[in-house]
Amino acid sequence: KAGVTQTPRYLIKTRGQQVTLSCSPISGHRSVSWYQQTPGQGLQFLFEYFSETQRNKGNFPGRFSGRQFSNSRSEMNVSTLELGDSALYLCASGGKDYEQYFGPGTRLTVT
Amino acid sequence: AQSVTQLDSQVPVFEEAPVELRCNYSSSVSVYLFWYVQYPNQGLQLLLKYLSGSTLVKGINGFEAEFNKSQTSFHLRKPSVHISDTAEYFCAVNNFNKFYFGSGTKLNVKP
Repeated sequence: KAGVTQTPRYLIKTRGQQVTLSCSPISGHRSVSWYQQTPGQGLQFLFEYFSETQRNKGNFPGRFSGRQFSNSRSEMNVSTLELGDSALYLCASGGKDYEQYFGPGTRLTVT
Repeated sequence: AQSVTQLDSQVPVFEEAPVELRCNYSSSVSVYLFWYVQYPNQGLQLLLKYLSGSTLVKGINGFEAEFNKSQTSFHLRKPSVHISDTAEYFCAVNNFNKFYFGSGTKLNVKP
């Protein structure tokens, strides 16, 4: 089975712009979670989608949003980018034994 | 809310020596436990998981972990480390479909 894929792998944006990241989970997985990873804050949970519905949400401002499509692919959107949004954004798809399988991440740099 | 504590932010060790990475979590009610490894500029890779049953679980790359309910701990061990084990290790808890990660332990294996 193919693993979790994320596109793009690297992205450079300017403050105030918006960005959309994409994630394709492992075939058959219906749960997709998003995380932000920074050196200072570590891994922080953004949100989880299951069968096109947001099932869980972390403590991030409304500028961070997501959605899931009927084929389980998910997108994450960040509007009005700030310098502090520079991070590695990881997507994970949920397996049958409660584990998560991670993609390689999208490295977002905001200048 | 669940919390996961990794007491050691960095662990230096010589090659072929044993190592233990410590992890404690706040509640043992309905939790599933995991260890992940992250190599530079990559996503997280699942090392092992505890769902139920035997408290000693074996994972990939010669790692194992022991679930201790009374001490709410899930320490990761390897009897003999290799240079290639140099990476960051994350302990994680799945509690009612929400994932909580520790802050990570950087394992530095020296020749």
